[in-house]
Amino acid sequence: QSVLTQPPSVSAAPGQKVTISCSGSISNIGINFLSWYQQLPGAAPKVLIYDNTKRPSGIPDRFSASKSGTSATLGITGLQTGDEADYYCGTWDSSLSAVVFGGGTKLTVL
Amino acid sequence: QVQLQESGPGLVKPSGTLSLTCAVSGDSISSTNWWSWVRQPPGRGLEWIGEIFLGGSTNYNPSLKSRVTISVDNSKNRFSLTLSSVTAADTAVYYCARATLFGGNMGEKYFDYWGQGTLVTVSS
Repeated sequence: QSVLTQPPSVSAAPGQKVTISCSGSISNIGINFLSWYQQLPGAAPKVLIYDNTKRPSGIPDRFSASKSGTSATLGITGLQTGDEADYYCGTWDSSLSAVVFGGGTKLTVL
Repeated sequence: QVQLQESGPGLVKPSGTLSLTCAVSGDSISSTNWWSWVRQPPGRGLEWIGEIFLGGSTNYNPSLKSRVTISVDNSKNRFSLTLSSVTAADTAVYYCARATLFGGNMGEKYFDYWGQGTLVTVSS
């Protein structure tokens, strides 16, 4: 049981848009800063978003994120088959004094 | 370019101790970054194990705290993980990662560099 809650899977057609939700609580998403990671099959995770909404250099603007209260959303537009991966949200939990992750969402591009 | 590389035994016996090392290049282990371990059981999600800062301060996952130690070797620019009393549930790909700070609080950091991961199997 993960501290942050994500849907197990989402799917959409190439070229379409998809959103992935991440729900937590006051002690994590509510007062700290969320990051999102993409994990391609057989690879290490890679950061897509940090500080709730910021993209590191090299991450295309097809990837965006928002946060409101104790929930956050990752959006991916112009879906490509290469976007098929597992996506994780993560943040610091001030009550646990620990980093917490969501359970991960598997994106399928149909 | 920052690079991290995990190394250690791929097989550990039940009740034994898992020991892994992460060699860091392109950054100093003494820099103002947090150095972490994250694991991923086969077919499952990411689980944070713990972190170390400036060679001294540590934070551990409460569910693993009694069995985990993270330490640094400044002379070799690397950090290590030991996990004691392992069971089959500890079988996972273990990643080392750097968490960079973008602000002054613990919640203001993210994992920007990861090792490739190493599979550790707990089995007799």
